[in-house]
Amino acid sequence: AQKITQTQPGMFVQEKEAVTLDCTYDTSDPSYGLFWYKQPSSGEMIFLIYQGSYDQQNATEGRYSLNFQKARKSANLVISASQLGDSAMYFCAMREKTGANNLFFGTGTRLTVIP
Amino acid sequence: DVKVTQSSRYLVKRTGEKVFLECVQDMDHENMFWYRQDPGLGLRLIYFSYDVKMKEKGDIPEGYSVSREKKERFSLILESASTNQTSMYLCASSLGWRGGLDTQYFGPGTRLTVL
Repeated sequence: AQKITQTQPGMFVQEKEAVTLDCTYDTSDPSYGLFWYKQPSSGEMIFLIYQGSYDQQNATEGRYSLNFQKARKSANLVISASQLGDSAMYFCAMREKTGANNLFFGTGTRLTVIP
Repeated sequence: DVKVTQSSRYLVKRTGEKVFLECVQDMDHENMFWYRQDPGLGLRLIYFSYDVKMKEKGDIPEGYSVSREKKERFSLILESASTNQTSMYLCASSLGWRGGLDTQYFGPGTRLTVL
């Protein structure tokens, strides 16, 4: 089974509007971390936001917030007030405490911000 | 700021050549990773290392080897490059599990073309 599922290959949003990028995950480990990364056309993966499995509150970082619904195993990224520079690929990833040290990545969502 | 650098942004090699991809991090991170990224497949882990001279296979190690002689440097080696190894290669490093947060920081990527 896929550890991370991103069902939206592409999304469009009007500049200044908010957008939600979906991510669901699958794990039996009670201790895990969820990450979102942005990858502009230049190729570098930029860390955006982190949510721990025991965190009581949803994570926020500036215009980014993570809508964490533990029972539904979803960790959607919300970008408020979209800007043209937000156009990029967005990847959801998970790190389990047990097992290997690596991140499991989804296949990504390409976000395009329309002026 | 964490800095992860990779030796080349673009590389063109011929089938059968031995290829070295170098990665250096300056934050004294314990863990280092090599991923390859292909359209529609997200990032897939090739190898990772959790200490000097220690390495673990990831999901797709076939055709690759790695070397970590110093903590800050992690090399990916393609012993005999093949056309199906044409891809974007991303290096990352992380501090290790610290109560959940184990952010991986990525280098700019190397786009390798094997002719």
